[in-house]
Amino acid sequence: EAGVTQFPSHSVIEKGQTVTLRCDPISGHDNLYWYRRVMGKEIKFLLHFVKESKQDESGMPNNRFLAERTGGTYSTLKVQPAELEDSGVYFCASSQAPGQGIGAGELFFGEGSRLTVL
Amino acid sequence: AQSVTQPDIHITVSEGASLELRCNYSYGATPYLFWYVQSPGQGLQLLLKYFSGDTLVQGIKGFEAEFKRSQSSFNLRKPSVHWSDAAEYFCAVGAKIYNQGGKLIFGQGTELSVKP
Repeated sequence: EAGVTQFPSHSVIEKGQTVTLRCDPISGHDNLYWYRRVMGKEIKFLLHFVKESKQDESGMPNNRFLAERTGGTYSTLKVQPAELEDSGVYFCASSQAPGQGIGAGELFFGEGSRLTVL
Repeated sequence: AQSVTQPDIHITVSEGASLELRCNYSYGATPYLFWYVQSPGQGLQLLLKYFSGDTLVQGIKGFEAEFKRSQSSFNLRKPSVHWSDAAEYFCAVGAKIYNQGGKLIFGQGTELSVKP
């Protein structure tokens, strides 16, 4: 069974440009999460999809970030326009059952997409 | 504020030596507790988790962790480290609320180096 797939693995762009990151969750996983790790900091939650709906987007930094999950399958995270502070590693995770509660499934993480904004 | 603290940014141990990675959390109530590992070029992998019950939990790759409520700690241990354990380790907590358990709060990570 394929794991969570993210691409690109690394993207280098200039300030003001647009970047779109993609995440393909494990097939059949309704829950999809985006996290971000800025250099030297902790991994932080960005948002949570349940199928195609945004369950929680409280971690999104600002309106330059747009996440979509059309059809409840893969998800994209667009940053437009990118700023220097957006540099970091963006992780995607998926789970079959809701969250991590008792009886629920664990989160499966992708390898991350490293974004460098110059 | 809710937070997770991993006081050691980088630890070096000799192969075969024992290992303990520290994790303390600040949370309104006892959360779910996790340890993840990220090896070079890999995604985050769940090592073990604590939901309730026995405070000593066993995980994969010979790791275990002990939950101590009085100390708000969830330290990770391994009796004998192997060179392949070199990686970055993350402690995380999640809410015991339906459909919010996947919204994890992570510590800053501890990078483990293993000397031959």
